[in-house]
Amino acid sequence: EIVLTQSPATLSLSPGERATLSCRASQSINGYLAWYQQKPGQAPRLLVFDASNRVTGIPARFSGTGSGTDFTLTISSLEPEDFAVYYCQQRSNWPPAFGGGTKVEIK
Amino acid sequence: QVQLVESGGGVVQPGRSLRLSCAASRLSFSTAGMHWVRQAPGKGLEWVAVISYDGSKKYYADSVKGRFTISRDNSKNTLYLQVNSARPEDTAVYYCAKEFGGPVSGGFDYWGQGTLVTVSS
Repeated sequence: EIVLTQSPATLSLSPGERATLSCRASQSINGYLAWYQQKPGQAPRLLVFDASNRVTGIPARFSGTGSGTDFTLTISSLEPEDFAVYYCQQRSNWPPAFGGGTKVEIK
Repeated sequence: QVQLVESGGGVVQPGRSLRLSCAASRLSFSTAGMHWVRQAPGKGLEWVAVISYDGSKKYYADSVKGRFTISRDNSKNTLYLQVNSARPEDTAVYYCAKEFGGPVSGGFDYWGQGTLVTVSS
């Protein structure tokens, strides 16, 4: 069973700053990693799939990179609406799994 | 626009059963794999179960195997989750989600708003 470890647990930043979120898999998942954003009281929203493919309609300030076991979601310049919890997810190996999440909060 | 609407949540006593439903509209329901994902209060996301587009394949998380049953009725564009022998640790918001891309690639591109299940005496 693959474990996804997200770091940091909490990221305190100001609007306009760059956010770098990490997701590490316990074994290789090739490039099959997705990133989701979840705001309080809302369902998760798919941002990036297959490590680096941004979903249609997602702003270009969100970008995903990585392969193998190490993946990164970067938000180039935080907007007020970007403060939320972010989860990574893999379905490369059974069972599907989510990381524990990174909360991006306003500093 | 695409909609997934869950229903059926509520308070259930330990050991009892309930059935969750997820009604889909304006999407190609009968060609999509569908999942249930849950989120305990204040916690992260936990994958629960998946069903193939035609209902022929079903898989479950170890934590629910033997107690939960996923099913679908493509004629009604509806996904179900039968919860039996409910436990307090099943307390969570349950989301249905549509698969995008394939069995390993892609992700879950549409989600319902969630339905809260509380297991308590």
